[in-house]
Amino acid sequence: QVHLVQSGAEVKKPGASVKVSCKVSGHTLTKLSIHWVRQAPGKGLEWLGGFDPEEGEIIYAQKFQGRITMTEDTSTDTAYMELSSLRSEDTAVYYCATQTVPYGDYRWLDLWGQGTLVTVSS
Amino acid sequence: DIQMTQSPSSLSTSVGDRVTITCRASQSISGYLNWYQQKPGKAPKLLIYAASTLQSGVPSRFSGSGYGTYFTLTISSLRPEDFATYYCQQNYNTPHTFGQGTKLEIK
Repeated sequence: QVHLVQSGAEVKKPGASVKVSCKVSGHTLTKLSIHWVRQAPGKGLEWLGGFDPEEGEIIYAQKFQGRITMTEDTSTDTAYMELSSLRSEDTAVYYCATQTVPYGDYRWLDLWGQGTLVTVSS
Repeated sequence: DIQMTQSPSSLSTSVGDRVTITCRASQSISGYLNWYQQKPGKAPKLLIYAASTLQSGVPSRFSGSGYGTYFTLTISSLRPEDFATYYCQQNYNTPHTFGQGTKLEIK
């Protein structure tokens, strides 16, 4: 059975960076397209970016361009999301998620990590 | 970016009720629409993909329909475990934007 297990909660000061990990178990990272979604306290879901198999590259939401980097370590089947220049508005639960069954060019997220709370506070 | 607008934002309803949530896209997204359910403190759960295909293991009281710019999620007869927040998401192009959510509350 496939699982996504994320790293623990983080507290960061404004201007700092945070790196959240997402370890894949029961599957191979290279066969999955990992996406990242966040949710601020009491707010809705926001897509940050993810691997597009048709483009063959990671696509970031324009809003985060220049501040976000998504990487993968295939030797450990772990994906990472790093967000820099943190501000209070970045306080949120960050989720990694993936699509376990490909279906043409349709994309959905049917497997999610447990979430990582990132708190940005001075 | 494609804007996704859900209505209503919240709904007070009862067990056994039939509920329909709508999701409108700011431009045509063909059938590239997903629905998720989220309960407090939990990750979202995929209910429906490609506008109308029920995810494996999801009860048949959930159904989705629509194409282009107008989509609906219907729960035929609400059960206690269905009180949650529901989100639509388009995957027609990036960013894969979500609707703002619809919270189902017990009347």
